[in-house]
Amino acid sequence: GAGVSQSPSNKVTEKGKDVELRCDPISGHTALYWYRQRLGQGLEFLIYFQGNSAPDKSGLPSDRFSAERTGESVSTLTIQRTQQEDSAVYLCASSFTTSGGFSSYNEQFFGPGTRLTVL
Amino acid sequence: AQSVTQLDSHVSVSEGTPVLLRCNYSSSYSPSLFWYVQHPNKGLQLLLKYTSAATLVKGINGFEAEFKKSETSFHLTKPSAHMSDAAEYFCVVSRVSGGYNKLIFGAGTRLAVHP
Repeated sequence: GAGVSQSPSNKVTEKGKDVELRCDPISGHTALYWYRQRLGQGLEFLIYFQGNSAPDKSGLPSDRFSAERTGESVSTLTIQRTQQEDSAVYLCASSFTTSGGFSSYNEQFFGPGTRLTVL
Repeated sequence: AQSVTQLDSHVSVSEGTPVLLRCNYSSSYSPSLFWYVQHPNKGLQLLLKYTSAATLVKGINGFEAEFKKSETSFHLTKPSAHMSDAAEYFCVVSRVSGGYNKLIFGAGTRLAVHP
């Protein structure tokens, strides 16, 4: 596809339920990132994938949050036993990686996000 | 540690007047800095980036930003606001951590443009 896509665009769930959010990165992008954006705030980093491994999970707020990635394609972010404070927009981004290492100049391309509301 | 502070949470201007969105950064070494824009119900879009080349950076839609090391600032400007500029703007600093490009976002500035 032309850009990063995410589904669903909106998700309303009840407290205590599990939810799965999906991200399809730009074809050929080996790096994939998940962020959370609470109302009126900037983006918080959650997790980063290089291929299907996650070298940095430091932003996951609790063990209720997990993510996986299939090869260099789709990623899912799972939130178990959702709480009201999990309500936010969850954004996914992807980027190229340069051969021989990483560049701080690689642009991350963002998807439109999934708006999660926990009642 | 890297961080960014956006000095205004809301800015309101009239159409046709200049725009100034302020950002100060903190970095232990020469940073990469970005401005992103987020229109309602749309994904984040990169406006411009500074990567230690020219200190005055031109971006899309007539926006530009100047890197001032002495002031640790990276303010975003536009000479004449357009109604379509109304959006949320994020100042972002980047650091390479564990071999990848980690973006650290400011809290955002909401720009309102009035007729």
